[in-house]
Amino acid sequence: QKEVEQNSGPLSVPEGAIASLNCTYSDRVSQSFFWYRQYSGKSPELIMSIYSNGDKEDGRFTAQLNKASQYVSLLIRDSQPSDSATYLCAVNRGTGSARQLTFGSGTQLTVLP
Amino acid sequence: SAVISQKPSRDICQRGTSLTIQCQVDSQVTMMFWYRQQPGQSLTLIATANQGSEATYESGFVIDKFPISRPNLTFSTLTVSNMSPEDSSIYLCSVSDGTSGVRGAQYFGPGTRLLVL
Repeated sequence: QKEVEQNSGPLSVPEGAIASLNCTYSDRVSQSFFWYRQYSGKSPELIMSIYSNGDKEDGRFTAQLNKASQYVSLLIRDSQPSDSATYLCAVNRGTGSARQLTFGSGTQLTVLP
Repeated sequence: SAVISQKPSRDICQRGTSLTIQCQVDSQVTMMFWYRQQPGQSLTLIATANQGSEATYESGFVIDKFPISRPNLTFSTLTVSNMSPEDSSIYLCSVSDGTSGVRGAQYFGPGTRLLVL
């Protein structure tokens, strides 16, 4: 089992729809969870962080965390073509250096005009 | 968050040669990391660059192939040695600082795109 798994893409949604991206992780000790956005040819950019169970909203983005089920998700409301990118889920390592992150394989999102 | 620069931004190299990639941060940071991202793939951690001591390498990566230096809290280098076409990839440095930015997050440099012929 991979340490961090994301639902395989690519994912296509129409403009204005809600895009839902999912991620599961294997290390129950992990405490910090992040979503990064990576445009083609660019480096990853941090868009959300979450540490506690529940929802965290920031503009059109909502991160959801359920530690009991070991999953974290990202919802993008009112999706725009500019949201088209690869979204990477990252989880801190529960053992060793907690500053190290493990990344999922990414989900490629396309928002259709 | 810190401003991170990398040099070179891209390079084309011949097999058997070595390339040193520089990562410069505009402020002192606690942690610096080096990643590889192969085409269409996610990020793979190569090593954690430790200031004043040897880097900590991940499984599958060795110091002879990827020597790393970190002489101070704002600068690090990664060398890709004796390159082969399989080393063609994007190399990214990232930083994490316990005193600023989002807790536990890493911030990435723009990357170095390497093609080995």
